[in-house]
Formats: sequence, C-alpha cells, structure tokens
Amino acid sequence: AQTVTQSQPEMSVQEAETVTLSCTYDTSESNYYLFWYKQPPSRQMILVIRQEAYKQQNATENRFSVNFQKAAKSFSLKISDSQLGDTAMYFCAFMKPFSGNTPLVFGKGTRLSVIA
Amino acid sequence: GAVVSQHPSWVICKSGTSVKIECRSLDFQATTMFWYRQFPKQSLMLMATSNEGSKATYEQGVEKDKFLINHASLTLSTLTVTSAHPEDSSFYICSAAGTSGDQNIQYFGAGTRLSVL
Repeated sequence: AQTVTQSQPEMSVQEAETVTLSCTYDTSESNYYLFWYKQPPSRQMILVIRQEAYKQQNATENRFSVNFQKAAKSFSLKISDSQLGDTAMYFCAFMKPFSGNTPLVFGKGTRLSVIA
Repeated sequence: GAVVSQHPSWVICKSGTSVKIECRSLDFQATTMFWYRQFPKQSLMLMATSNEGSKATYEQGVEKDKFLINHASLTLSTLTVTSAHPEDSSFYICSAAGTSGDQNIQYFGAGTRLSVL
C-alpha cells in the first residue's frame, strides 16, 4: 500500500517570500502521479500542480514548482512570491495510473499561513 | 478545467432522517467518482469508489448500509446517509475522473457540510 507523509503540520511565511512544503511517499510502483492540492477556507479542493513519475523534469505552474526526487521518494512544493491568497491547507497526494478505480492517497496536510 | 458540482453545500437534518448528496460532472463524463469524508483539521479519508453501472467499492470500516452510493449515469453519483446520527456530522467531498482526455486528474466538488441534530 502507498503512504504519503507530510511532516510539517503548520508553516508560515511572510508575504512575497518563498516557502517550501515537504512530502515523502512510499510505493513499490515504478509509474505513478504525484499532486499538490490546495484547500482554502472555502474547503474547495484545488489542484495546484501535478508530476508524472516517469518525467524527470520538475513540474512548474507560475509561482508553484516542485522538487521531485524519485530515488528519495520526495516531492516538495515551492511557492515563490507568496501571496495572502496562498493561505490554505496543502495536501500532497499519490495516485497510480488510472485504471478505473484509482483513488488518491493523501498526506495529512500542511497548514500554510501567509503573513502580511 | 473540468467542473464538478456538489449539492447541497450545507444540510442540517434531524437524527434518524436520511440525507442525499449529489455529485455531478458538468462538462465531462465520469467513469469513476470517489467519495471522501473529512473531519475538522484532518485529511481526506476515502469512503468509497463508485463506477458507473456497478456497485460501489467501500473502504474497510465504512458501513455500506449507512452510506448508500449510486452511480446511475456517467455524470451523476449520489451518496445517501441513511438514518443519520450526530456522529455522521462531517464534511463530505466527491471527486470525479473523466472518460476521455487526461484521466489521471481528479476534479473535486465543493463539498457538503452535514450537521445532524
């Protein structure tokens, strides 16, 4: 079974600064997907970024980028130029390639507060 | 991105009554929908996997007779909490994966807050 570990329950960052959220996972699969989801106070789950395990290049979406280390099974999220709207719970998630019944496996989450 | 509509967003009911929550994929067909439960300040816990036209697969510890799931079409899955009790109060979230295009992304509904009095 796959497991996802987020070791930072809470973090804070000053507005405009950079912050990195950590995530490690355990799997015996060779191909899989990793995600970062954001859950703001509205509780709507929002996809931030996705990484495919067979791609060596780290995914980037505007101010969000990941550091994917497959051998170390590490998948950290870097948020640059932090904004007040980035305040949210961030969940790291793992998924095997879709086969009709492939759920996401979530970490426990990191609560990020961006301070003005 | 694809849109998943979940309704209602908040429901209050009396103990012993049943509540139905709907999850619709608005602009894509969803072969599979997932139902999660989230307790305050905790992560999402998978309750069941729902495939169109077949019985749902429940996770260990989830009562099938209490949480009835129906996935009658490629755009609609429903979760019915039967004979609800205060301990069923929680935040329920659905997600859907499409039948075409990129199937390796799940799209989430906005969630339903259930309060059982």
